[in-house]
This record gives sequence, structure tokens and C-alpha cells, in this order.
Amino acid sequence: EDQVTQSPEALRLQEGESSSLNCSYTVSVLRGLFWYRQDPGKGPEFLFTLYSAGEEKEKERLKATLTKKESFLHITAPKPEDSATYLCAVWEDSNYQLIWGAGTKLIIKP
Amino acid sequence: EPEVTQTPSHQVTQMGQEVILRCVPISNHLYFYWYRQILGQKVEFLVSFYNNEISEKSEIFDDQFSVERPDGSNFTLKIRSTKLEDSAMYFCATTSTGAFNYGYTFGSGTRLTVV
Repeated sequence: EDQVTQSPEALRLQEGESSSLNCSYTVSVLRGLFWYRQDPGKGPEFLFTLYSAGEEKEKERLKATLTKKESFLHITAPKPEDSATYLCAVWEDSNYQLIWGAGTKLIIKP
Repeated sequence: EPEVTQTPSHQVTQMGQEVILRCVPISNHLYFYWYRQILGQKVEFLVSFYNNEISEKSEIFDDQFSVERPDGSNFTLKIRSTKLEDSAMYFCATTSTGAFNYGYTFGSGTRLTVV
């Protein structure tokens, strides 16, 4: 069964303290792995799509990387406004839909 | 920046009542989706809609659910007879043909509470 697992469930960091979030996946064929940010009471906001192992994408303080089994979202020198839940999702071919992870709730303290 | 607009933001309904959730997609987007997120749980796919018909639907999307574009702009999700377990945030999402490169644009959601 296709699965997406994110860890940790929650992460508290001090402002400026860099860290990484993990998304591990099992799908028969990876077409695309997505990272989204979700603020409380809001819909997910698109960040990146990664397609193949070795690929990296960056946006401001965020960098997403991909291997054959997992993706990492690296956060460099985070600020309080980076606090949100970060969601990972994988495109599943047989039903043409996204399979979502449960998310990592990131809290950045000033 | 273009937005997906959802109304109402919060709806409380009695069990067994019908509800209609509304979404105004981004004007040049062609693909429309409904997702739901039960409090504290994962986002779940309900249905995708393209060219005025359902493309795919999940096991959750049973006969109690329906979607339509009644006037060519609004995209609606109807739940015919609500159950307590239908309580969730319902998100509309839309995309152009570049779903993989540009992702889905989600609305802010409708919080449905069934009592």
C-alpha cells in the first residue's frame, strides 16, 4: 500500500536554529513529491515539487531534497514567521490523486 | 495574486440535513478538487472534476456526495444527509494544466460541524 510518513510530528526551534523535516514514502512509481505549508485555519500553500532522486529546490530559507525513499525539508536560520505545519504529498498514479502525510508542526520561538 | 474563494467559512448543521459548500475557482484553472481534513488527521482526497464531469473519486465520496458547476463559475460540493463523521474542514483546490510545476491552489476551507 502506498504510504507517506512524516517525522517528527512536531518540532520546536529557537529563531536561527537550523533543522530538517523528513518525509518517507513508498509508492510503486514516483511521479512527483510535493511540499506544502499550512497555517492554522487555512488551506495548504504550495512550496515545491520534486520529481527524481538527487533533485533539490530552494525558496528563501527552505530547501527540499529527494532520495529514492525520502525527502527532506531543510530550514536554515528560521524565523518565527516560518512557524506552520509542513505537509508532504506524493502523486499516486493508479487513482490520479495525492497521498498526504500527517505533517510536521514547526514552531519557531523568537 | 489569484485566490480560490470558499463559502461559508464555517457551517453548523444538524445530522441528516443537506449542506452545499461553495468554491469559486481561479478563472483560468481547468481542474477542480475537493479535499477534506478531519481535525488532527491527514488531508484526504474526495473528488476531482474536469470538463464538467468527475474524473476520479475516492472511497469516501459515496452516494451522499455530489459535485457540480451550476453556473460555469461556482464549483459546489453537496452532502445530501450529513453524518457526525462528516465534520471536517473541506478544501477546494484548483489547478491549470501545470499541477505538478505549480501545485494546487487551495481555498481557506469550510469548517463543517455536524451536530
